[in-house]
Amino acid sequence: SQTIHQWPATLVQPVGSPLSLECTVEGTSNPNLYWYRQAAGRGLQLLFYSVGIGQISSEVPQNLSASRPQDRQFILSSKKLLLSDSGFYLCAWRGLRDRYEQYFGPGTRLTVT
Amino acid sequence: AQSVTQLDSHVSVSEGTPVLLRCNYSSSYSPSLFWYVQHPNKGLQLLLKYTSAATLVKGINGFEAEFKKSETSFHLTKPSAHMSDAAEYFCVVSGDTGRRALTFGSGTRLQVQP
Repeated sequence: SQTIHQWPATLVQPVGSPLSLECTVEGTSNPNLYWYRQAAGRGLQLLFYSVGIGQISSEVPQNLSASRPQDRQFILSSKKLLLSDSGFYLCAWRGLRDRYEQYFGPGTRLTVT
Repeated sequence: AQSVTQLDSHVSVSEGTPVLLRCNYSSSYSPSLFWYVQHPNKGLQLLLKYTSAATLVKGINGFEAEFKKSETSFHLTKPSAHMSDAAEYFCVVSGDTGRRALTFGSGTRLQVQP
């Protein structure tokens, strides 16, 4: 069966510090991968998606970036965090046989102080 | 473009009573529709999905939803609420693009009173 991991689970970082969040998927090959952010009291905002290694599409201009160095690894990064980057970050995957449904990881709670 | 509107931001029910979470959608295509549930500080779990087969869709934990094209609705129901159903619920519509993106509603927080 497929599983998706995210770490760390929680993170507290000062403004201006760098960020690296990692997501890995097991049990599937060549998944589509997605990064979402969920701000307090809001729905989910798609940040990035990837259809393959090194292929990243950005949905929202911001100080975040994403990379996919391996087929089942997706990384969210920032060089300098802003207060507005606080939120709950969710990684999701979609298999080749799935028409639309996505499967989500447990999330990372980021607090920028 | 597609969009989804969850008509209630908060719903409160008593344990053992029926649950109704309302969702209306807009889509230029024949959409796929989903309901996801999120418990506090957890990821999202797929409850059920509609992909143009039967209009009444059964999901996990006793939930079901009915796709009504004439009303552009996809309401989520459960005959009898359980305390463990307390969570945030998201209605989601597909986008017919290469990236197979999803558009999320703003969520409905379900409270279950003992």
